[in-house]
Amino acid sequence: GQNIDQPTEMTATEGAIVQINCTYQTSGFNGLFWYQQHAGEAPTFLSYNVLDGLEEKGRFSSFLSRSKGYSYLLLKELQMKDSASYLCAGMDSNYQLIWGAGTKLIIKP
Amino acid sequence: IAGITQAPTSQILAAGRRMTLRCTQDMRHNAMYWYRQDLGLGLRLIHYSNTAGTTGKGEVPDGYSVSRANTDDFPLTLASAVPSQTSVYFCASSERGGSSGEQFFGPGTRLTVL
Repeated sequence: GQNIDQPTEMTATEGAIVQINCTYQTSGFNGLFWYQQHAGEAPTFLSYNVLDGLEEKGRFSSFLSRSKGYSYLLLKELQMKDSASYLCAGMDSNYQLIWGAGTKLIIKP
Repeated sequence: IAGITQAPTSQILAAGRRMTLRCTQDMRHNAMYWYRQDLGLGLRLIHYSNTAGTTGKGEVPDGYSVSRANTDDFPLTLASAVPSQTSVYFCASSERGGSSGEQFFGPGTRLTVL
C-alpha cells in the first residue's frame, strides 16, 4: 500500500533550527513535496524534490533519499510565523499526491 | 479573481440534502482536484480532472460527483449528504495533469452535515 509517515507534533524555540522527517511508500515515485498550512488556511507549496540531495530555499531546505524512502524539511532561524502544520506528500506513478497527516510545529519564544 | 476561489466558505447541511461546492480558477491550469481534509488524516483525493472534459476518481470518490465543462470551473456535488461527509473541502489546480507540477489550493469550504 501507499503510506506517508511524519511526526504528529514538534516543538521548537524561536531562532533555533528544526528538522521534520517524513518516510514514504508509494506505488512508483515522481517526487516529494512539502507544503505549509497555517491553521484555518489552505496549504501552500514549499518545496519539491525528485533527485537525491538537498534543495535550499532561503531559511527552508528539503532533503531526499530515494533509496531510503526518506525526506526531511529543515527550517532555520525559526520565527513565530513558522508555527503551522507541515505536510509531506509523495507523488505516485499516476502523478497523484499521497499526503501525510501533517506535522504541527509549535514555536515557543 | 486571483488564483482559486471556492464557495461557500462554510455550510451547515441537513443529511439527505443535495449540495454543490463551487471552485473556479483563473490561472488557465489544465488540472484540477478536490480533496477532503479531516483531523488526524492527510488530504484525501476525491476526484480530479487532468483537462477540461475529463474526470477521474481519486481515493474516496463514493457519494461525490464532479464535472469539468470548461477549464475554469470544477464543481463538486454531494447527491445526498451524510454526516460522514462533514469535512473541510479543498479545491486545487496545477498547470498540467500527469506532471510533477505544484498544486495551488483554494481557501476551502467547511461543510457540516447534521
